[in-house]
Order: sequence, then structure tokens, then C-alpha cells
Amino acid sequence: KNEVEQSPQNLTAQEGEFITINCSYSVGISALHWLQQHPGGGIVSLFMLSSGKKKHGRLIATINIQEKHSSLHITASHPRDSAVYICAVRFLFISNFGNEKLTFGTGTRLTIIP
Amino acid sequence: EAGVTQFPSHSVIEKGQTVTLRCDPISGHDNLYWYRRVMGKEIKFLLHFVKESKQDESGMPNNRFLAERTGGTYSTLKVQPAELEDSGVYFCASSKELDRGREQYFGPGTRLTVT
Repeated sequence: KNEVEQSPQNLTAQEGEFITINCSYSVGISALHWLQQHPGGGIVSLFMLSSGKKKHGRLIATINIQEKHSSLHITASHPRDSAVYICAVRFLFISNFGNEKLTFGTGTRLTIIP
Repeated sequence: EAGVTQFPSHSVIEKGQTVTLRCDPISGHDNLYWYRRVMGKEIKFLLHFVKESKQDESGMPNNRFLAERTGGTYSTLKVQPAELEDSGVYFCASSKELDRGREQYFGPGTRLTVT
């Protein structure tokens, strides 16, 4: 079964702390997405990864294809980072033609306290 | 460039009624996806259009759900008749080309409440 697991489910931290959210998946993928959803807001794509590491501002995403694991890091966290962070993957099939659908983790609810 | 838009943002209907959700993808995006999140669960795939054709509808829960994309532009998702378990947030996303690495852009979602 193709699954995506995220941890932790909930995370509360003080402003300024370094945050790590983890995502593991069960079988090979062609791409992994990190998404953000603020309360009452829509979904925003933060990163799309297929290997290595990407950085955007205070956000860093890494992926280890061999270990089937990705992490999202937030440096110098701020209350405005409070949101649900979602990992989503595109599983790799024998034929990927037309197989664009994403499989989502349950999300990590992050709360940053001032 | 305008993003993916969805209408309505909220809908409250009674069990047994019909509701139609609309998604307007980013202009020029051939791929359109419908997803939904029901209470307490992860977001799940419903179906994928390439232009006006249904590429993958493996996630559609049952025949009360009908999706269309006439002309390959906007899409509608009709639920008829609605049941309580259909309550949730319905997201639409679009991407430009059929490429296994292509990023999907999400709309703000439609929150559907069936009472």
C-alpha cells in the first residue's frame, strides 16, 4: 500500500526555535511536495523535491531517496509560521504516464508561541 | 497571472440536495485535479483531467459524484444527492503539462457542509 506518514502530528514551539517536521513514504516516488495551509486559508506549495535539498528564506527541505524520508526545517521560527504543513508525494509506478495524483500525509499542525 | 479559483468558498446544504462546485484553473494549464479532505483525515485524490478528458478517476468515492470539464477550461464537481459524509473541504489544483515532476497549484478550496 502506498502510504505517507508525517511526524509529529502537532508541534508547539517558542518563537526562534529550530523546527523539524518529518515525512516518510512507503515506496519509490517521482516527486515530493511540502505544502502549507494557514488557518482558514488555501494550500500553498513550499517546495517540490525529487532529490537533495532546497532552501527558501528560513525554510529548508531535504530528501533522502534511499531512506524514503524527507524533512522540512524552519530556522528562527516566528508566530506567522503557525500553520499546517503537509507532505504529499507522487508515487513511482511502472508507467507514470498520466499518473500525476498526489498522496498526502495527515499534516503537522505547527504553533509558534511569541 | 491569476491563480486557481474555486466557487463557492462555502456551501451548506441539506442531505439529499445537490451541490455543484466549480474550479477555474490557471490559464493554459491542461491538468486539473480534484482533491478533498474530510474531517480529521488526510487530503485524498478524487480525479485528474487532462484537458477535457478524465485521465484518472480512481479516487471518486461513488456514482453520486460527477465531474466535468467541458472545453478543457473550468471544471465542475457535482454531488447528487449529497450525504452527511460528503462534508469536507474540496480542493482543486492545476498544473501546466503532463510531466512527472510538474508542480501543482492549489485553489483555496470549497468547504462543503451537509446537514
